[in-house]
Amino acid sequence: DAGVTQTPRHEVAEKGQTIILKCEPVSGHNDLFWYRQTKIQGLELLSYFRSKSLMEDGGAFKDRFKAEMLNSSFSTLKIQPTEPKDSAVYLCASSPGTGGQAPLFGEGTRLSVL
Amino acid sequence: GDSVTQKQGQVTLSEDDFLFINCTYSTTTYPTLLWYVQYLGQGPQLLLKVTTANNKGISRGFEATYDKGTTSFHLQKASVQESDSAVYFCALVESNNRIFFGDGTQLVVKP
Repeated sequence: DAGVTQTPRHEVAEKGQTIILKCEPVSGHNDLFWYRQTKIQGLELLSYFRSKSLMEDGGAFKDRFKAEMLNSSFSTLKIQPTEPKDSAVYLCASSPGTGGQAPLFGEGTRLSVL
Repeated sequence: GDSVTQKQGQVTLSEDDFLFINCTYSTTTYPTLLWYVQYLGQGPQLLLKVTTANNKGISRGFEATYDKGTTSFHLQKASVQESDSAVYFCALVESNNRIFFGDGTQLVVKP
């Protein structure tokens, strides 16, 4: 079975640019999560979708971060405009969405903002 | 609110040492408890999952017991190998699928 696919694996952006990260969840999974991972802050939830509806939007990230789920098999995370402090690994995960299932993670996108 | 605590930021061992990584949780529900392992350059992978109190999860030589009394889910392995070097995350999943992660513990195993 295909796992969670994230593209690109690496992204380099100039400060002020707009970047779009992509995620394809596991087929049939209803829940999709976007996380930011840094050594200092660990895993931080950016967005949580259930059946394409936004359930939770990480408060601290609302102004420049926008996640969308265009259909059940594709999601994007837009960062606009990027800042150097956005340099991190961005992880996408999906789960079936039924009672207490463990999410499956993608390999992540490593973003460097210069 | 719910939370997961991993107090050890880094654990350094030699091959064949015993591993113990501390994890405690706080919740008013009956969650599923998880351990993830993250190797360098990869996303977190599910290592263990336990859904019922007092049950033990076992995988690849690692084990953890869901202890409702002490609200703990410590990770143990009898004999670590250099290939076990990674970051280990404890997590809990509520019945409504909200997930709470610990800060992670970096395991370094020296040959």
